[in-house]
Amino acid sequence: DAGITQSPRHKVTETGTPVTLRCHQTENHRYMYWYRQDPGHGLRLIHYSYGVKDTDKGEVSDGYSVSRSKTEDFLLTLESATSSQTSVYFCAIRGTQGNTIYFGEGSWLTVV
Amino acid sequence: AQSVSQHNHHVILSEAASLELGCNYSYGGTVNLFWYVQYPGQHLQLLLKYFSGDPLVKGIKGFEAEFIKSKFSFNLRKPSVQWSDTAEYFCAVNANTGNQFYFGTGTSLTVIP
Repeated sequence: DAGITQSPRHKVTETGTPVTLRCHQTENHRYMYWYRQDPGHGLRLIHYSYGVKDTDKGEVSDGYSVSRSKTEDFLLTLESATSSQTSVYFCAIRGTQGNTIYFGEGSWLTVV
Repeated sequence: AQSVSQHNHHVILSEAASLELGCNYSYGGTVNLFWYVQYPGQHLQLLLKYFSGDPLVKGIKGFEAEFIKSKFSFNLRKPSVQWSDTAEYFCAVNANTGNQFYFGTGTSLTVIP
């Protein structure tokens, strides 16, 4: 258990609305990541953070923004949700012992 | 950027059969390599990892993987699969000096009792 909590776990939203997913960690890890998982694509990195207010884009960052105002929380925002953003979103942290990432339980998002 | 290829998209085996899942990566530098498992409806869990040293690494639940640098490969093996091994398996790579982790598209394993 990597001490990661994602919320909400399930959400249905309408096209064009903003959506924010929250990742909360309790172990003071510096690095946090947001991935999306889609059939046939595996996991793709959206954004990651390497400290408070320090973030960088991943390979599928268009349409997403992130914020990290404190160490324990990493927020992913879909500025105007589209059906193509229907996916399972996983938050991950980078462990302190070596270069290994550990995942949260996932957030299932459906955009209708 | 690195990339990961998993050539087997879906594998079906009978219980007690041997398993080998292929993983190849593209990156010329030093890498860290991982296999994760995802049981239905769950999140990804670490099976095993390779950083350096002995290229044959053992993980949980009887899985092992071999790093072959010359082939840029990190194949996952298990001598005898069980029904409970039914899951999706992901290979991942991280450059030793990098912050990003790249995943393959996954291999779905179905084990028939």
